[in-house]
Amino acid sequence: DAGITQSPRYKITETGRQVTLMCHQTWSHSYMFWYRQDLGHGLRLIYYSAAADITDKGEVPDGYVVSRSKTENFPLTLESATRSQTSVYFCASRRDGSGLNTIYFGEGSWLTVV
Amino acid sequence: GQSLEQPSEVTAVEGAIVQINCTYQTSGFYGLSWYQQHDGGAPTFLSYNALDGLEETGRFSSFLSRSDSYGYLLLQELQMKDSASYFCAVRDLDSGYALNFGKGTSLLVTP
Repeated sequence: DAGITQSPRYKITETGRQVTLMCHQTWSHSYMFWYRQDLGHGLRLIYYSAAADITDKGEVPDGYVVSRSKTENFPLTLESATRSQTSVYFCASRRDGSGLNTIYFGEGSWLTVV
Repeated sequence: GQSLEQPSEVTAVEGAIVQINCTYQTSGFYGLSWYQQHDGGAPTFLSYNALDGLEETGRFSSFLSRSDSYGYLLLQELQMKDSASYFCAVRDLDSGYALNFGKGTSLLVTP
């Protein structure tokens, strides 16, 4: 039972480079989310998706792009990385129907932009 | 818009009881959740309240008062392994099917 996996787990990149964080879930959950976590800010929602080809902006979407061509994958792309995007990124998913407030997080991707 | 307020830090002694409060302001309301996160780890689900009252799960309980826009997480018989961050989260009209999280409460359990 692999659940939800993120890659890479750790990444250092340079300012201006494009970076893609991958997220894959094996549960066939319809709903998927990307959060970033920074000290003092808790978990902030970047983008979310209700199904393949359906995405919505969250609280802090600027500088990020998402796609959802397949239900199981929800990659997050930083088009031109900035130092302010240094953060821990969590992908999450939620099953349909009951348990609407129970979301399952991946292990996180630690991104440093230098 | 919406906001969630919870204390930034709480310290308690092993074996004691601690309460972590959460107040919220939302447009519409679909329940209050609690998540636990250990250092370096991912948040994990603890409990959920959709209706007023107390929900108990082992040593952890969660309470909700919708009229007061207030809830709390109660941890009993504290253990060292309970040292972690605890987040309250809400789903409401603004967040749709996503959860919006508070900034978290760092709980330190001391011997």
